[in-house]
Amino acid sequence: ILNVEQSPQSLHVQEGDSTNFTCSFPSSNFYALHWYRWETAKSPEALFVMTLNGDEKKKGRISATLNTKEGYSYLYIKGSQPEDSATYLCAFPRADGLTFGKGTHLIIQP
Amino acid sequence: NAGVTQTPKFQVLKTGQSMTLQCAQDMNHEYMSWYRQDPGMGLRLIHYSVGAGITDQGEVPNGYNVSRSTTEDFPLRLLSAAPSQTSVYFCASSYRPTGELFFGEGSRLTVL
Repeated sequence: ILNVEQSPQSLHVQEGDSTNFTCSFPSSNFYALHWYRWETAKSPEALFVMTLNGDEKKKGRISATLNTKEGYSYLYIKGSQPEDSATYLCAFPRADGLTFGKGTHLIIQP
Repeated sequence: NAGVTQTPKFQVLKTGQSMTLQCAQDMNHEYMSWYRQDPGMGLRLIHYSVGAGITDQGEVPNGYNVSRSTTEDFPLRLLSAAPSQTSVYFCASSYRPTGELFFGEGSRLTVL
């Protein structure tokens, strides 16, 4: 069973502050690493699919980096806004589907 | 843009009852899957399909059955509901098993 670990489990951040959190995954047989945002009462939506070591992807104030050799990815949020409150999931593909981490629950406090 | 449509959104069952969660997608995705979400755990794969007529078990398949008669539809059947199957269920589809997943809105199931 693949282990995809996310930390921290939850995070409270003041509005306007920047934050980041981590996903670690098996570094052998790497194919891709996914990030999803899951807002309350909605379904998860993909943020990034990352495939190359050293890759950095950006969508607005959210960016992610990838280190496949050491098996980790960081998700950064710059200037947090209330609408950033959500659970952020990372997932590691395997032959039958994705293995998900338990997520980082982010709460932005006004 | 319908995407992935799941029904029902909420369901309460008694132990031993059976039911079917419906899932349909209009993106012509070959890969479809069912996950369950339980408190303190990541999304776990129940069953998946890589095309019409092909289904296989995921990580937690016991107590569930699936079929894939068309590319669009992938229903999940609970054969004899148990309280341990109380969960939120998500159907998801993609072009391939390793690709970006598109999720339905989820179905909250309570088994009494």
